[in-house]
Amino acid sequence: DTAVSQTPKYLVTQMGNDKSIKCEQNLGHDTMYWYKQDSKKFLKIMFSYNNKELIINETVPNRFSPKSPDKAHLNLHINSLELGDSAVYFCASSQLAGGAVPYEQYFGPGTRLTVT
Amino acid sequence: TQLLEQSPQFLSIQEGENLTVYCNSSSVFSSLQWYRQEPGEGPVLLVTVVTGGEVKKLKRLTFQFGDARKDSSLHITAAQPGDTGLYLCAGASGGSYIPTFGRGTSLIVHP
Repeated sequence: DTAVSQTPKYLVTQMGNDKSIKCEQNLGHDTMYWYKQDSKKFLKIMFSYNNKELIINETVPNRFSPKSPDKAHLNLHINSLELGDSAVYFCASSQLAGGAVPYEQYFGPGTRLTVT
Repeated sequence: TQLLEQSPQFLSIQEGENLTVYCNSSSVFSSLQWYRQEPGEGPVLLVTVVTGGEVKKLKRLTFQFGDARKDSSLHITAAQPGDTGLYLCAGASGGSYIPTFGRGTSLIVHP
């Protein structure tokens, strides 16, 4: 049983296109996240959702729009893709966030996005 | 922005050697986590340390949180090829439950 799954694993597309990445977790967690890992392996938080509500929105272009239809799913839609959007995008989940110590985050396998 | 500096950036060693990876910051963290990421996979949590001076052991891995809670180290004894991966430290502070990640140390252990 995969705890956090993402689709697709690989995504190759051209500049200007719109694409979506889907994420699902079967751990019963209340908090889900999207991270971007660049070519130098730097992992940066993009969004965090608690019980389907957006609680963190780091400085990302508004071309990126997360959507959480229920607390087990957090999808990422990207409009007008640019070359600089090429990266690996990770979805993660954890228990309900908000305590002083971060709970363990469970990461998906990542989606490698290549924009040509 | 709290920065976490990890060193070395790359490490290539032979099986059986010992190694230490460092995670340093000028900021104080309420907790610090270490993750390992294998190629093509997402990071997996190894340990969380919360008390200054705390030492935790996980088989051949020893984690230490600095007394001032600004730095941490990861020591691996008798490294094995299965230890190969990217080691990431992540710190949280100021009431934020979202950790800030360092840029990682890429470790290769040759058989």
